[in-house]
Amino acid sequence: DIQMTQSPSSLSASVGDRVTFTCQASQDIATFLNWYQQKPGKAPNLLISDASDLETGVPSRFSGGGSGTDFTLTISSLQPEDIATYHCQHYASLPYTFGQGTKLEIK
Amino acid sequence: EVQLVESGGGLVQPGRSLRLSCAASGFKFDDYAMHWVRQAPGKGLEWVSGISWNSGSIDYADSVKGRFTITRDNTKNSLYLQMNSLRAEDTALYYCAKDTLSDWGQGTLVTVSS
Repeated sequence: DIQMTQSPSSLSASVGDRVTFTCQASQDIATFLNWYQQKPGKAPNLLISDASDLETGVPSRFSGGGSGTDFTLTISSLQPEDIATYHCQHYASLPYTFGQGTKLEIK
Repeated sequence: EVQLVESGGGLVQPGRSLRLSCAASGFKFDDYAMHWVRQAPGKGLEWVSGISWNSGSIDYADSVKGRFTITRDNTKNSLYLQMNSLRAEDTALYYCAKDTLSDWGQGTLVTVSS
């Protein structure tokens, strides 16, 4: 099975900061990677698919990059409503696996 | 608009069974693979099982293999998860999700406790 490792596990930043999350796959997954935002008590919401394709309705301050084994999710200017846990997930092959998540807090 | 509505969760004793359902609408159900994903309280996301559009390909996480069975009924636009021999560690919010997990329902809570 492909293992997904996210770092850091938690992150504290100020409004307006540039924030970057990382996700590493244990083997090459090309760009078969999703990023999700999950707020407490809610289902995960897909932000980015295919490593860098922004989903409809997602603010342009979110961007994704990477291929192969190393991926990033960046928020260019942190907003208060971005407080959430962020998950990466590969879909290169079954079983699909997730990173352990990064909890984002406001400083 | 894609809609996925899970049902069937509840409180069940260890060793008993439960059947989850997911009603799909807003897309051509029989064109897509479907999946179950779970999230234990305060924990991360875990893919549980997936089924291809025609039920020809099915897979399970090792943690549920031999105890859970995924099925679908394309005539009813519905996905199911039969969960047998439930354990305390199966306690979680169970989500159904479409295709590459692009769309999710709101989940149904399964609590396994005596």
